[in-house]
Amino acid sequence: QVQLVESGGGLVKPGESLRLSCATSGFPFSGYYMSWIRQAPGKGLEWVSSINKNSQTIYYTDSVRGRFAISRDNAKMSLYLQMTSLTAEDTAIYYCARGGLTRFDFWGQGTLVTVSS
Amino acid sequence: QSALTQPHSVSGSPGQSVTIPCTGISSDVGGYNYVSWYQQHPGKAPKLMVFDVNKRPSGVPDRFSGSKSGNTASLTISGLQAEDEADYYCCSFAATNTFVFGTGTKVTVL
Repeated sequence: QVQLVESGGGLVKPGESLRLSCATSGFPFSGYYMSWIRQAPGKGLEWVSSINKNSQTIYYTDSVRGRFAISRDNAKMSLYLQMTSLTAEDTAIYYCARGGLTRFDFWGQGTLVTVSS
Repeated sequence: QSALTQPHSVSGSPGQSVTIPCTGISSDVGGYNYVSWYQQHPGKAPKLMVFDVNKRPSGVPDRFSGSKSGNTASLTISGLQAEDEADYYCCSFAATNTFVFGTGTKVTVL
């Protein structure tokens, strides 16, 4: 069955960096767009970034463009999110999701990123 | 881009129907037939319930249906059941190849 498992979250100070990973299984990873979506504590969902099958097409929400970098390794069936210059507003559960062309059809359980001094 | 507008909460008794509107603008909901809906139970990951306005993934009960008129999409839950109590979010593809989510609606089964 389709599985997505995020890792790499934790507590960091403002201005620091963090790299999230999403290990996948149960589907042909290289054939799908992949995305990151976040949810601040007690708040709604916010799309962060999407990447196409061969990494040639990448999109970001305005608030992270220039600070975050999405990438993938099709051989390892893994998705990544490199986050730099983190601020308190980036505190959230970060979900890895399959899709990004028109919908997100499978989601991981999320990894919590807390940015606090 | 601004979040799509949803009511904070809706409620209904078991067996009744509830409809959740999701209002955007012409460059998101109104401009594309790529509206999807997600159900999220407390502490859980979101689950896709409807995509491309009115299509259901395999395994989603046909009690869940979607529609769209102009800049407003809607999710209707017919024959409300206790397990339908959750938060629901709409999402639309938007211009400049981005996605925008709705503000979220808490569905309460009375």
